Amino acid sequence: KAGVTQTPRYLIKTRGQQVTLSCSPISGHRSVSWYQQTPGQGLQFLFEYFSETQRNKGNFPGRFSGRQFSNSRSEMNVSTLELGDSALYLCASSLVGRGQDEAFFGQGTRLTVV
Amino acid sequence: GDSVTQMEGPVTLSEEAFLTINCTYTATGYPSLFWYVQYPGEGLQLLLKATKADDKGSNKGFEATYRKETTSFHLEKGSVQVSDSAVYFCALSFGGATNKLIFGTGTLLAVQP
Repeated sequence: KAGVTQTPRYLIKTRGQQVTLSCSPISGHRSVSWYQQTPGQGLQFLFEYFSETQRNKGNFPGRFSGRQFSNSRSEMNVSTLELGDSALYLCASSLVGRGQDEAFFGQGTRLTVV
Repeated sequence: GDSVTQMEGPVTLSEEAFLTINCTYTATGYPSLFWYVQYPGEGLQLLLKATKADDKGSNKGFEATYRKETTSFHLEKGSVQVSDSAVYFCALSFGGATNKLIFGTGTLLAVQP
């Protein structure tokens, strides 16, 4: 069974640009969550989607957005990139997204903003 | 607000030493508790979990017990190996219809041969 797949693995963007990251969950999983990992702030929750609906959102500015498609694949978008957006972005999927469920993580997309 | 506090790292141990990584939490209600591990260049993997008070999670020789009275979920292993070198994250999540995880800052474990 294939794991969570995130593409691309690495990205370099310039300040002011926008970027789209993609996440394909494990087959059959309907819940997808996104996290930002930085050395200073650690792992912070961005948002969670279930059946194409945003179910939960973290404390990030409106430049960060996401969506989920009918096949459960998810994308997140960051507009008007800032240097501080440089981070590892991790996607996690779970079967139905209950609190006690195991979350399966992808390897992440390393975004560098220059 | 809800939060998780982990002991600062790095933790450096010799092979076969005993490991403890402390984790305490602050939460309203009764969360599920998790330990995730991140190996270099990889995403996080679930190591173990406990969903109610006094539950003990265990996997690969690691153990942690959900202590409601001390709001703690300390990770222990009796004899570490070089292959256990990684970053360990304590996390909590609430029941119901959300899989949102709140993580601690992570503890880097380095095991020397």
